[in-house]
Amino acid sequence: TQLLEQSPQFLSIQEGENLTVYCNSSSVFSSLQWYRQEPGEGPVLLVTVVTGGEVKKLKRLTFQFGDARKDSSLHITAAQPGDTGLYLCAGVDSSYKLIFGSGTRLLVRP
Amino acid sequence: NAGVTQTPKFQVLKTGQSMTLQCAQDMNHNSMYWYRQDPGMGLRLIYYSASEGTTDKGEVPNGYNVSRLNKREFSLRLESAAPSQTSVYFCASSYQGSSYEQYFGPGTRLTVT
Repeated sequence: TQLLEQSPQFLSIQEGENLTVYCNSSSVFSSLQWYRQEPGEGPVLLVTVVTGGEVKKLKRLTFQFGDARKDSSLHITAAQPGDTGLYLCAGVDSSYKLIFGSGTRLLVRP
Repeated sequence: NAGVTQTPKFQVLKTGQSMTLQCAQDMNHNSMYWYRQDPGMGLRLIYYSASEGTTDKGEVPNGYNVSRLNKREFSLRLESAAPSQTSVYFCASSYQGSSYEQYFGPGTRLTVT
């Protein structure tokens, strides 16, 4: 079974700070998706990265897919309270199923 | 558009009782999924349906059955609930397979006592 490890599990920062969330695996994924989930709701897709080395930007969020397609990172610049939530990475495995990481719970304090 | 809807939102069952979780999507998606989410474990795939008329086991299928009733609806049945099935259950759909964005419902919070 392919596994995705996310770190850190919890992050509490002050508004305006920068942060990076990591998603690592020993397995190769054909693509990787990042979702954000708010309390009481289902996850919502933020971005999909497909090519090794790919970098995608979504306003203050920067997503990178590792060259070997085994890892990914999410960097948030100048975090805001609205960024608070559970961030989940998910990789498409060799049998085309989505494997989720355990998540990073982010709290941005005003 | 309603997107993905799930019923019920909350349910409490006693050990051994049965129930069916309902899911419907109005996006004309081919693929549908059932996940469970437990604290610190992300989402784990229970069953999925790549297209109407097909269903396959995911990572944690034991204790569950599914029915793809038609293209819109995908139900999850617990025949004899156990406390280990206490979890939040999410239904999702995608255009065609996991490489496409998955759209999630709001979840069903199930407690088995």
